[in-house]
Amino acid sequence: DTGVSQDPRHKITKRGQNVTFRCDPISEHNRLYWYRQTLGQGPEFLTYFQNEAQLEKSRLLSDRFSAERPKGSFSTLEIQRTEQGDSAMYLCASSLVTGDGRNEKLFFGSGTQLSVL
Amino acid sequence: GQNIDQPTEMTATEGAIVQINCTYQTSGFNGLFWYQQHAGEAPTFLSYNVLDGLEEKGRFSSFLSRSKGYSYLLLKELQMKDSASYLCAVRDSNYQLIWGAGTKLIIKP
Repeated sequence: DTGVSQDPRHKITKRGQNVTFRCDPISEHNRLYWYRQTLGQGPEFLTYFQNEAQLEKSRLLSDRFSAERPKGSFSTLEIQRTEQGDSAMYLCASSLVTGDGRNEKLFFGSGTQLSVL
Repeated sequence: GQNIDQPTEMTATEGAIVQINCTYQTSGFNGLFWYQQHAGEAPTFLSYNVLDGLEEKGRFSSFLSRSKGYSYLLLKELQMKDSASYLCAVRDSNYQLIWGAGTKLIIKP
């Protein structure tokens, strides 16, 4: 399978625990995005990487959230001291950007559904 | 602020045609995307418009009017599998994607 893969598909945790999600993008893609989505809403931008560099992080994002892409390939998203409000689908997307990126097209993974009890 | 508006929910009949509208107010414009998302699954790319006019791709077409800040997605010969949410997203002047909340389309036999 050459699509974007995310692991795990589902995660149930207790409030206060730390969780980590993994995303493997399409191999030749240089950009990787993390989004959060709740029921009936569009994806909410969290952060993105160009190769291994984290270029932007949402100003609304708590400092409990951190993401890495150490070798410019897979990425991890960690949430520390989880809260019930963190319950959501966490989506990863990747893209290949050339030039000014005007026609950049995102390919999404199936997401990790997080439930914080 | 930046805003994308879409109807929350629409209902249509199998075999019919449906038009899903999207209006936007963003800081700049660098293209508009439509994605399809089935419940519990990832969004999948449907169409991209950057110039005014109609882009046709099989049963799906997408229209853009930049002067009106308006787009629509037209689905023809509806099938039950078209039941899904349809997300409109606009790339702004900073090349960031601004997403609408999506339109849930219900297809009835």
